[in-house]
Amino acid sequence: AQKVTQAQTEISVVEKEDVTLDCVYETRDTTYYLFWYKQPPSGELVFLIRRNSFDEQNEISGRYSWNFQKSTSSFNFTITASQVVDSAVYFCALSEGGSGGGADGLTFGKGTHLIIQP
Amino acid sequence: EADIYQTPRYLVIGTGKKITLECSQTMGHDKMYWYQQDPGMELHLIHYSYGVNSTEKGDLSSESTVSRIRTEHFPLTLESARPSHTSQYLCASREGGTGINNEQFFGPGTRLTVL
Repeated sequence: AQKVTQAQTEISVVEKEDVTLDCVYETRDTTYYLFWYKQPPSGELVFLIRRNSFDEQNEISGRYSWNFQKSTSSFNFTITASQVVDSAVYFCALSEGGSGGGADGLTFGKGTHLIIQP
Repeated sequence: EADIYQTPRYLVIGTGKKITLECSQTMGHDKMYWYQQDPGMELHLIHYSYGVNSTEKGDLSSESTVSRIRTEHFPLTLESARPSHTSQYLCASREGGTGINNEQFFGPGTRLTVL
């Protein structure tokens, strides 16, 4: 069975600080996909990034960066120079690719509520 | 940019009513999903579909039902709503097949309150 753990329920930082959101996953599949989604107060889920299990390259997109380490089953998300608009709930999610079968829906972590104070 | 729509955005109804939550996407995606998000924030898959006339139950047991008569439309129905059904319901879709471009795009959600 697959599982995603986001141990940080809530993080509060002051604007311009860097912040890292942790994500640890469990899966028996050798092929799988990891995702981060942002959920602002309006409620919709906004896709941020996808990583497949064969690609351990870290990625940077503006102030956002992601660190994928298979050795520790982690897919952490860092926001550099945080801004008030970054305040939201962030979800890490896992989908098992394999050869098909099963729901191939997303298994979500419980989310981390990020509060950026001005 | 994703084009997936849900109506209504907010719904307050009394116990015992029958309701249908609408979800439509204009991207021609084969796969569609319904997730339930409790007030404690965790999302759980309750239904999914691989295409027209395909519907399956997800990981979390739900008293709701779904149908997929057209590719773009994936409505969710509760025959008799109860207060325990109070939650946010999120619809999502993605391209068919495994591998690349398998991220799911989400609608804005429907916040359901059953009194």
